[in-house]
Parts: sequence; C-alpha cells; structure tokens
Amino acid sequence: AQKVTQAQTEISVVEKEDVTLDCVYETRDTTYYLFWYKQPPSGELVFLIRRNSFDEQNEISGRYSWNFQKSTSSFNFTITASQVVDSAVYFCALSEGDTNAGKSTFGDGTTLTVKP
Amino acid sequence: DGGITQSPKYLFRKEGQNVTLSCEQNLNHDAMYWYRQDPGQGLRLIYYSQIVNDFQKGDIAEGYSVSREKKESFPLTVTSAQKNPTAFYLCASSRLLSATEIYGYTFGSGTRLTVV
Repeated sequence: AQKVTQAQTEISVVEKEDVTLDCVYETRDTTYYLFWYKQPPSGELVFLIRRNSFDEQNEISGRYSWNFQKSTSSFNFTITASQVVDSAVYFCALSEGDTNAGKSTFGDGTTLTVKP
Repeated sequence: DGGITQSPKYLFRKEGQNVTLSCEQNLNHDAMYWYRQDPGQGLRLIYYSQIVNDFQKGDIAEGYSVSREKKESFPLTVTSAQKNPTAFYLCASSRLLSATEIYGYTFGSGTRLTVV
C-alpha cells in the first residue's frame, strides 16, 4: 500500500530564511508520480510540481526547488529566502502507476509560518 | 477562466439529513475526485471518476454517494449513514495523460460542512 509521511507538522521561520519541507514515501510500484501542493489560508489547494519516478533530476522554479532521491524514497521541497506569502500548509502526494485515474495519497501536511 | 466551482461554500446539516455538494468544472478534464479534509490531517479520498457514468470508491466511501452523468459535474451526497460528516470537502479534477497517469490536480475552493 502506498503511504506518504511528512514528519514535520509545523515549521516556523523568519522571513528570508531558507526552509526545507520533508516528504518520505512508500510504494511497491516502480512507476509512480509525486506531487507537492500548497494550501494557503483561503483553503484552496494549488498544484506546485509533478515528478515521475524515472526522472530524478532536481528542479528549480524561482525560490522553490525540489530534491527527489529514490535511494531514500524522499521528495523534499526547499523554499529559498522565504517570504510571508509562503505561509501555508504544504502537502506531498503520491500516485502509483498501476492505479486507475491517478488517485493520490496525501501526507498530513506541514504548516509553514513565515514571520516578518 | 477555466476552473472548478464548488457550492455552497458553507453548509449546515441536521442529524439524519442528506445533503448534496456541488462540483462543476469547465477544464474538460476526464478525471474528477472528492476528498475529505479534517483539521490537522491530510486529504482522504472518498470517490473518484475517470469517465462519465463510471466511478469508484476511495478509502472512506461509506456514508457517501456520487454520480457522474456529465463530464463537467461530479456531485457528492453526504447521507445520514455518515456518522461524522463535519469536515472540509474538496473536489478536484485532472487531465489524464494515460489511464493511470495524471498531470496534477486542480482543486475547487471547498465546502465546509457542519452538523448542527
């Protein structure tokens, strides 16, 4: 069975600090997809990134970067020079390759608070 | 603009009452999903649908029902059999890259259901 663990329940940083959100996953499939979503206080989740199991290249998008390591089953998310607007709950999710319709399993989320 | 519309934003249910949550998308996405979010927890899958007139149970389908009569619409009914329905309900849709691969979810803004 697939499982996603986000061990950090809450993180608090001061603006301009770098912060890394951890995500560890479990799956028996060789083909799978990993995602990060952001849930701001308004409640609506926003898709951030998708990564498939065959692509271990790290990705950078502005202040956001993602580190995918199959050897440790981790897909960590780093925000560089954090800003107050980054305050949100961040979810990591996993979709297995043999699962119909791409249903996803979510971690419990990490609440990030960025203080001015 | 394309997106997912959930209504109502807030819903109050009396004991023993069935209520229906609306979810409409104009993104031309094939797959649609219902998730439930409880405070401090991740999202748990209730039902999902890959094509019209077909849907599958998720991890917590008991006490819920759905229909998919149109590609754009995927309403969720919370029945009286659901003993603890107070939660935040999120509808999502996704483009299917294959039968098992999705690009990533687009979420609606959610419905907050409270039992009174």
